[in-house]
Amino acid sequence: DTAVSQTPKYLVTQMGNDKSIKCEQNLGHDTMYWYKQDSKKFLKIMFSYNNKELIINETVPNRFSPKSPDKAHLNLHINSLELGDSAVYFCASSRRGFAEKLFFGSGTQLSVL
Amino acid sequence: DQQVKQNSPSLSVQEGRISILNCDYTNSMFDYFLWYKKYPAEGPTFLISISSIKDKNEDGRFTVFLNKSAKHLSLHIVPSQPGDSAVYFCAASPAGSQGNLIFGKGTKLSVKP
Repeated sequence: DTAVSQTPKYLVTQMGNDKSIKCEQNLGHDTMYWYKQDSKKFLKIMFSYNNKELIINETVPNRFSPKSPDKAHLNLHINSLELGDSAVYFCASSRRGFAEKLFFGSGTQLSVL
Repeated sequence: DQQVKQNSPSLSVQEGRISILNCDYTNSMFDYFLWYKKYPAEGPTFLISISSIKDKNEDGRFTVFLNKSAKHLSLHIVPSQPGDSAVYFCAASPAGSQGNLIFGKGTKLSVKP
């Protein structure tokens, strides 16, 4: 009964390809996020959606496009992958009014060759 | 520009003793501070938090102390157990951030039996 699940867990691909990472939460939360952990181990927010509406969009290349078909799902599509996109991507969710207490998925390790 | 700093990349402690993990921040507009714990190949999990209007919050073996004048917080684990071995991330939340947490780089705690 995984609360926040993301797939795939590992993704190895060539530069220039397009790939997607899927995320689903069964916690009934209204807000979902994508965080990126780079090679220096910093976890940084990329996007957040509240009930399918984009509310945070940090400085992220427009090759990254989040899509939220419903409030339980937030997918991340990446076009024209670059070497620097290699990182671990974490999906997370939170309850209304408790935005600081995030529930994270187990991460997707993306390697761009 | 690191707004949240964890200057110790690692810490080793004997089982049963106290573990003290430290965190410094630069932004006086942070109003909420959190600690997350992360095991390998898993996402971070929320551990404990403290509001900027408090100086201490305790939850079982875990206590977080906040010193606003020094812009410093610490996490105390007592007694430490081998299962506490993990990476601990300090995070801060600006007022009204809606889940945009600013994370430190993490401290890897090893508790030896």
